[in-house]
Formats: sequence, structure tokens, C-alpha cells
Amino acid sequence: AQTVTQSQPEMSVQEAETVTLSCTYDTSESDYYLFWYKQPPSRQMILVIRQEAYKQQNATENRFSVNFQKAAKSFSLKISDSQLGDAAMYFCAYRSMNNNAGNMLTFGGGTRLMVKP
Amino acid sequence: AAGVIQSPRHLIKEKRETATLKCYPIPRHDTVYWYQQGPGQDPQFLISFYEKMQSDKGSIPDRFSAQQFSDYHSELNMSSLELGDSALYFCASSGFGREAFFGQGTRLTVV
Repeated sequence: AQTVTQSQPEMSVQEAETVTLSCTYDTSESDYYLFWYKQPPSRQMILVIRQEAYKQQNATENRFSVNFQKAAKSFSLKISDSQLGDAAMYFCAYRSMNNNAGNMLTFGGGTRLMVKP
Repeated sequence: AAGVIQSPRHLIKEKRETATLKCYPIPRHDTVYWYQQGPGQDPQFLISFYEKMQSDKGSIPDRFSAQQFSDYHSELNMSSLELGDSALYFCASSGFGREAFFGQGTRLTVV
């Protein structure tokens, strides 16, 4: 079974600064997806960014980028130019590409990001 | 763009009652997932459907059941409700790209 670990329960960042959230995972598979979801106080789950394991290039979405290290099974999220609206819980998630292995998302425990004005 | 629609948004039930949560996935998405999120916890996978067939089962209690209908909407039926069932219940759907898009959730309170 796959596991996802987020070792930082809470992080804080100054507005306009950069912060990196850590995520590691354990899997025996070679093909999979990795995601970062944001959950603001409204508790809506919002997809931030995704990465396919077969792609060497790190995914980027505006101020959000990832550092995907497949050998190390690490998938960190970097938020640049942090904004007050970035304050939320951030969940790292894993999904197998092998439909026989199940198609559900496995979530990490989450990191609460606080943004200081 | 159309999103995942869940109803109701809020539900209050008494212990031992029954609840039915509904989910309308994004059009042309072939997979529906149900997750339960307790206070301060990460979402826990309950069950999923692919093309109207149950595809995976997670930590779903025997008191719960779910199905996906011909129009692809899904319902989560919860019976003999317990206080510990109070949580936010998410439905999500995914298509070819495989990222899951979540609904706004149903907040169930059991009193």
C-alpha cells in the first residue's frame, strides 16, 4: 500500500516571501500521479498542481512549482510571492496509474500554511 | 466550467437515523470517489466507482453503502448513524487526466 507523509504540520511565511512544503511517499510502483491540494477555511478541496511520475520536468502553475525527486520519493511544493489568500491546509496526494492497483487518492496528513502580513 | 455538485451542503441527523448524500460529477468524468474528513484530519477514502461499477473500497463502514446511477450521479447511504459519523463528506470525480476535482462537501452533524 502506498503511504504519503507530510512532516510539517504547520508552516508560516511572510507575505511576498517563498515557502516550501515537504512531501514524501512510499510506493513500489513506477507510474503514478502526484498532486497538491489546497483546503482553505471554506474546506473546499482545490487542486493546485499535478505531476506525472514519468515526466522529468517539474510542474509549474504560476506561483506554484514542485520539486519532484523520483528516486528520493519526494514531492515538495514551492509557493513564491506568498499571498494572504494562500493561507490554507495543503495536502499532498498520490494516485497510481495502474487501474488494477486502485484509482483512489491517498492523502498525506496535511500542512497548515499561515501567511503573515 | 461545471464542477462537482453535492447535496445537501449541510445535514443534521439524530443517532440511529439514516442519511443520503448525493453527488453529481463533472460531465464526461468516468470515476466518482467518496471521502470522509473528520475535524483536523486528512480525507479518508470510502469508496469509488468507475463507469457505474464499484472499483475500490476503503474504510467504509458496513452501515454505509453507495451506488452510481445510469446518469453517473452517485449516492452515499448511511444508516444507523453514530456520533462519530459527524464529518465533512466529499465527492470527487475524475476523467482521462486523472486529477480528481472535489465538490464543496456535505457537512453531516449527528446529534
